[in-house]
Amino acid sequence: GDSVTQTEGLVTVTEGLPVKLNCTYQTTYLTIAFFWYVQYLNEAPQVLLRSSTDNKRTEHQGFHATLHKSSSSFHLQKSSAQLSDSALYYCALSDRRNYAQGLTFGLGTRVSVFP
Amino acid sequence: EAAVTQSPRNKVAVTGGKVTLSCNQTNNHNNMYWYRQDTGHGLRLIHYSYGAGSTEKGDIPDGYKASRPSQENFSLILELATPSQTSVYFCASGDAGQFANTEVFFGKGTRLTVV
Repeated sequence: GDSVTQTEGLVTVTEGLPVKLNCTYQTTYLTIAFFWYVQYLNEAPQVLLRSSTDNKRTEHQGFHATLHKSSSSFHLQKSSAQLSDSALYYCALSDRRNYAQGLTFGLGTRVSVFP
Repeated sequence: EAAVTQSPRNKVAVTGGKVTLSCNQTNNHNNMYWYRQDTGHGLRLIHYSYGAGSTEKGDIPDGYKASRPSQENFSLILELATPSQTSVYFCASGDAGQFANTEVFFGKGTRLTVV
């Protein structure tokens, strides 16, 4: 089956500095869609970014990610972290065969931004 | 805008008791999902449904049943609750018809404590 790996459980960063969250995946299918979800404290997870196009940069709310099928990666980056970025971030994928079964999520990365 | 409503938002249950978590969506989505969220395990799929009358097992279905009586409603049932089922449960809905946009929309979650 599909799998998503997020290597960092916790990322701490100083406000104004860049932040990068790693996400790699394994799937037997070539046609895939990728998502980054963000979950603020006591809130529902919500989509931050989505992509299904290889090597195309996707941006939203200052975050960006590029799907690289050659390296099976979809890392999330921001050039200047803000205090309001403190949250739990999930990487997730959907493949064409199993898309109706929902998304496969990574374990999540908690981001803490300090002043 | 997508709307998924869960009830109750918080629940304390006794070991061996029956628990029913309810979910209602106004998105007219065919697919609905139940996930549980635990630290170190991320979001794990319990049951999902393709439409009214259907329920399918997800990755961790043991100890759980599901019911989809209508397009809008999807319930998760714990017939004999155990302390290991203490968790935060999320319901979600998704549109199966658009592969590249198969994000799921989450409710705000139900915090269940089994004592």
